[in-house]
Amino acid sequence: GESVGLHLPTLSVQEGDNSIINCAYSNSASDYFIWYKQESGKGPQFIIDIRSNMDKRQGQRVTVLLNKTVKHLSLQIAATQPGDSAVYFCAENPYTGRRALTFGSGTRLQVQP
Amino acid sequence: KAGVTQTPRYLIKTRGQQVTLSCSPISGHRSVSWYQQTPGQGLQFLFEYFSETQRNKGNFPGRFSGRQFSNSRSEMNVSTLELGDSALYLCASSRDRADYEQYFGPGTRLTVT
Repeated sequence: GESVGLHLPTLSVQEGDNSIINCAYSNSASDYFIWYKQESGKGPQFIIDIRSNMDKRQGQRVTVLLNKTVKHLSLQIAATQPGDSAVYFCAENPYTGRRALTFGSGTRLQVQP
Repeated sequence: KAGVTQTPRYLIKTRGQQVTLSCSPISGHRSVSWYQQTPGQGLQFLFEYFSETQRNKGNFPGRFSGRQFSNSRSEMNVSTLELGDSALYLCASSRDRADYEQYFGPGTRLTVT
């Protein structure tokens, strides 16, 4: 499940700091957005999702913000831990009633102990 | 509850051969989607199956096909393999067509030589 070889933007943070990962999506008709975390050797793991009728949604240590005006999505991770180190993907579902996610290129999060 | 399982985990094939990959969704999940992940193109949607019928298809040539069985298990087939088909093939399941949350398996790493 690794993304080895991808020249991904990298966000490096200190353990305990908050992390913000940004994503620009392409389709103004997208009605659903989701963040995935992918660790080396594994498939993408669901983190949090948000529907287009919401601006913010919170989970455990994570918050997703949606700005439909500028087609921007962000993932905030509070008190980042070494176990959070991974590649993070945002995905949009541009077609209502269909499951055909369009993924962003990903951001690599590195947490320094 | 067991997650999505994919077999085999690794495959090496030569150009011109064909390959079949298998996916067992989470128990009770009826929708299965397939994605291809490569360093150059990232994660791309291949197709979605629900109730043994292909519901959506991504922009891939006809060499890529799939099917779903009555127990929701799915297979995808790639014929006349090309070097560019080397990728991680991911399967994701969701409960039904009204449920956008998709849960991914660990993937099958296909190498074409």
